Amino acid sequence: NAGVMQNPRHLVRRRGQEARLRCSPVKGHSHVYWYRQLPEEGLKFMVYLQKENIIDESGMPKERFSAEFPKEGPSILRIQQVVRGDSAAYFCASSGVKGNIQYFGAGTRLSVL
Amino acid sequence: ILNVEQSPQSLHVQEGDSTNFTCSFPSSNFYALHWYRWETAKSPEALFVMTLNGDEKKKGRISATLNTKEGYSYLYIKGSQPEDSATYLCAFDSGGSNYKLTFGKGTLLTVNP
Repeated sequence: NAGVMQNPRHLVRRRGQEARLRCSPVKGHSHVYWYRQLPEEGLKFMVYLQKENIIDESGMPKERFSAEFPKEGPSILRIQQVVRGDSAAYFCASSGVKGNIQYFGAGTRLSVL
Repeated sequence: ILNVEQSPQSLHVQEGDSTNFTCSFPSSNFYALHWYRWETAKSPEALFVMTLNGDEKKKGRISATLNTKEGYSYLYIKGSQPEDSATYLCAFDSGGSNYKLTFGKGTLLTVNP
């Protein structure tokens, strides 16, 4: 009974490189949320996706960040040309029904050197 | 901007003590209030989802109450144990089209044996 799986758990990138964060939701869940925790901050909403569709990306920076949740495979959060300020923990959550409990993964900790 | 406040920020109690902490949130556009328990390096674990004013939920020694009219929820732990040590997060859910969660910064509970 696998929960939400995120990989990698830790990711180190140099400034200017790309970061790709993966999230496999609970089996059967079609709603995926990405949240970010900056140092000394709480979890902040970034984007909400349903299979193949971005529903709400109001929390995502307008540039360099993108997210997808394809018909097959995990959801991907992609950060292009990373900067030091992107260093944070990125969490993915999934739910089976909109408005129901969101189950979280253990997060990916991104460090930008 | 939604404001979800949790207090206290941190709390140290002795094993066997009972304790409680507070989450305050906007009293308008309310859909649900979520409580999570988060141990370091693990996934946030859902404790309760509360939707109705006056709701009380219980899970073992942990219980929660909800007042949507005045915008607060209390989480109670009876007879704290060292394994209860964790950060307790509350999250406000305004429903709508996306059900994204707005989190407080959490209350860090440390239970000393």
